[in-house]
Amino acid sequence: GENVEQHPSTLSVQEGDSAVIKCTYSDSASNYFPWYKQELGKRPQLIIDIRSNVGEKKDQRIAVTLNKTAKHFSLHITETQPEDSAVYFCAAHLGFSGGYNKLIFGAGTRLAVHP
Amino acid sequence: EPEVTQTPSHQVTQMGQEVILRCVPISNHLYFYWYRQILGQKVEFLVSFYNNEISEKSEIFDDQFSVERPDGSNFTLKIRSTKLEDSAMYFCASSEASFSGELFFGEGSRLTVL
Repeated sequence: GENVEQHPSTLSVQEGDSAVIKCTYSDSASNYFPWYKQELGKRPQLIIDIRSNVGEKKDQRIAVTLNKTAKHFSLHITETQPEDSAVYFCAAHLGFSGGYNKLIFGAGTRLAVHP
Repeated sequence: EPEVTQTPSHQVTQMGQEVILRCVPISNHLYFYWYRQILGQKVEFLVSFYNNEISEKSEIFDDQFSVERPDGSNFTLKIRSTKLEDSAMYFCASSEASFSGELFFGEGSRLTVL
């Protein structure tokens, strides 16, 4: 069935280091892959997204890569800062589910950036 | 910046009671959603809504759940007879585009069923 696997579940880095979070998806028809950041008790907020016609996208310290053949995509955060500490969720838009935004989320990665 | 608003922020209810969670989507958005997040777990799709009808629902969205757009601005989620396992954060979301458009989430309504 529809599934998005996300690894690692927790990630601890020193300030200034890079962090990488990886996701795989099962539905080969998926074509939209957003990443959300969720701070404790807050709503998920979109930080970057990528569509299947693009292999890589970058926005300042954040980049996302997509490998459609292997059905995996990754989030890269460079020069991490303590304020990057949060739970990060990857998601995949399920193929063509009537054309509506049925996002399947990964289980989340708790990122801790230590000063 | 326009945002999705939800009320109440937190509701405590007794098992078996009915609960209504309210949402005001972004005004020019046409596609509305409810998602659920049990504490410490991932965000799960419940239902999508367009043109005054459900367009898709998950297996979680059983007969105890219903959605409605009673007027031009509100979008509600009703749980008819709450169960302990309904305790979760419920997020409303809306999007402008139908297919792969950015989803904007509200702040969430935390439901605690005792």
